[in-house]
Amino acid sequence: GQQLNQSPQSMFIQEGEDVSMNCTSSSIFNTWLWYKQEPGEGPVLLIALYKAGELTSNGRLTAQFGITRKDSFLNISASIPSDVGIYFCAGQRRGTYKYIFGTGTRLKVLA
Amino acid sequence: NAGVTQTPKFQVLKTGQSMTLQCAQDMNHNSMYWYRQDPGMGLRLIYYSASEGTTDKGEVPNGYNVSRLNKREFSLRLESAAPSQTSVYFCASSGATLSGNTIYFGEGSWLTVV
Repeated sequence: GQQLNQSPQSMFIQEGEDVSMNCTSSSIFNTWLWYKQEPGEGPVLLIALYKAGELTSNGRLTAQFGITRKDSFLNISASIPSDVGIYFCAGQRRGTYKYIFGTGTRLKVLA
Repeated sequence: NAGVTQTPKFQVLKTGQSMTLQCAQDMNHNSMYWYRQDPGMGLRLIYYSASEGTTDKGEVPNGYNVSRLNKREFSLRLESAAPSQTSVYFCASSGATLSGNTIYFGEGSWLTVV
């Protein structure tokens, strides 16, 4: 099945550093979603994007809907230990019920 | 503040046994989904229900059946469990906001088939 290309696969960063990750697709999406998953839990929605070029923040998190509609970016500023987890992107094409997911970026923060 | 609730949280089955994973959502969403998550494989869609009364296969439907009991509930059944079905299963529901669609997940069901 189709999956989104998400990079990087994993990141080890120092507390206080900024983090950037992205998802790319060969298809155009009209919805991009970003999730965080912690061990033993389900994915939790962080940010939803619905318009090309849209930039949306949620605290220290900022996500952007790419102009081409084929990519999206998530930035985390001033990382803290509780940012540890796996971050997933998801996209949905217009007129479909299915969501396509990235394989995740595993983030570890060193105090 | 329940959102999507799925049971059981953990289950161990013997090969050949059957079981049903239950899922309910309280957000009045039309669409519901079952995914499995395996290490390195991401989330893979098993079945989905676009609306009450309809179900469709996803990318990995073999060995599973589903029932959309009503708008709130969507169950996943393993008729004859196999070790390859050892996985974490997530139920999800999707609905429209003022801006667009969003999908929400349950907390997961950890299934081990021995």
